[in-house]
Amino acid sequence: LAKTTQPISMDSYEGQEVNITCSHNNIATNDYITWYQQFPSQGPRFIIQGYKTKVTNEVASLFIPADRKSSTLSLPRVSLSDTAVYYCLVGESTGGFKTIFGAGTRLFVKA
Amino acid sequence: DVKVTQSSRYLVKRTGEKVFLECVQDMDHENMFWYRQDPGLGLRLIYFSYDVKMKEKGDIPEGYSVSREKKERFSLILESASTNQTSMYLCASSLLAGVREQYFGPGTRLTVT
Repeated sequence: LAKTTQPISMDSYEGQEVNITCSHNNIATNDYITWYQQFPSQGPRFIIQGYKTKVTNEVASLFIPADRKSSTLSLPRVSLSDTAVYYCLVGESTGGFKTIFGAGTRLFVKA
Repeated sequence: DVKVTQSSRYLVKRTGEKVFLECVQDMDHENMFWYRQDPGLGLRLIYFSYDVKMKEKGDIPEGYSVSREKKERFSLILESASTNQTSMYLCASSLLAGVREQYFGPGTRLTVT
């Protein structure tokens, strides 16, 4: 599985757009990019997954450039409740079972 | 909604005790996982199972064993608990293999004294 690098922490204010970038230089052809969110005292929750270009759902957008060596999770107009740890994972969408969660990015949203 | 439940939210055990952590999922998922989470280290995979009675080691299996006798239940066993196994333990399940959507339980915070 490809190793990922993301910032340890980020601060933002309510109403701002937050972009969290993840580097994955060794991403393989069959790898997908997946993001999870974890609130304190809870297990991680799947947010979004993509392979290339842009994916959007009701929670976030995921931007993946053509070389796929990085990806950006975009959270529009964050609120206090978006304070959480965000994990970027890279790996095959099928076939492999192991999932590697790094230390994640701790996002703190201030009023 | 998928539901993954874990037997305890908090557990305190003594060094040398045998500890059982239970996980149950209600969505007929093939795959189940046990992770531990420690500050600054993210989640680390201990064991996973892709079928009943099947198990595979994750990244840190030492000191742990697992059991999956029924599809919906995956147990993590600490044969002889040690203080360095004090951690948050998270169970997850998924329908598909690979880096796909995993559903997590609320976690069990285990303290070994």
